[in-house]
Amino acid sequence: NAGVTQTPKFQVLKTGQSMTLQCAQDMNHNSMYWYRQDPGMGLRLIYYSASEGTTDKGEVPNGYNVSRLNKREFSLRLESAAPSQTSVYFCATDSPFGHFGDGTRLSIL
Amino acid sequence: GQQVMQIPQYQHVQEGEDFTTYCNSSTTLSNIQWYKQRPGGHPVFLIQLVKSGEVKKQKRLTFQFGEAKKNSSLHITATQTTDVGTYFCRSNFGNEKLTFGTGTRLTIIP
Repeated sequence: NAGVTQTPKFQVLKTGQSMTLQCAQDMNHNSMYWYRQDPGMGLRLIYYSASEGTTDKGEVPNGYNVSRLNKREFSLRLESAAPSQTSVYFCATDSPFGHFGDGTRLSIL
Repeated sequence: GQQVMQIPQYQHVQEGEDFTTYCNSSTTLSNIQWYKQRPGGHPVFLIQLVKSGEVKKQKRLTFQFGEAKKNSSLHITATQTTDVGTYFCRSNFGNEKLTFGTGTRLTIIP
């Protein structure tokens, strides 16, 4: 029982490159979330999905897109990466409390 | 916009001293969750409070939810080195948009 699985764990990109962060859960939870955490800072909500087929913006959605492919998977896409998007990205589910993945450490040069 | 403020941002305590962190909102919260994040790790759920005035205890940790459901606190009695980390509250305002407080980073001086 893996819980919430994020891939990749680490990634280095050049400015302007695109990539998709993957998240999958095996707990059959409806709600899924993407957060970013900058060094020494708190977690800020990027996007969330209350159920399969729905997505909503969080606090810092600019520069990101998401897809709730099915109940299990919720992906986060950076279309044109910028250095300001260097961060640790956490995916989470919530039912009735948050289960977090181990994070993706993303550096953009 | 709706947000939850958390204080203090940092707290350094001698081992054995008590520690408290507070979350405050200008609007009523549906519920509040507390998490602990160790350095390099991910947030780990500690507890959820739902009822007005609710108090819950986990060993040396005491969690409170205010009567007006606009504030909450986490108190650790007699801190130990294993308590090191950042403590976050997380809440919503009646929808699925769960946002975190800014966190309180606790360091322990042996």
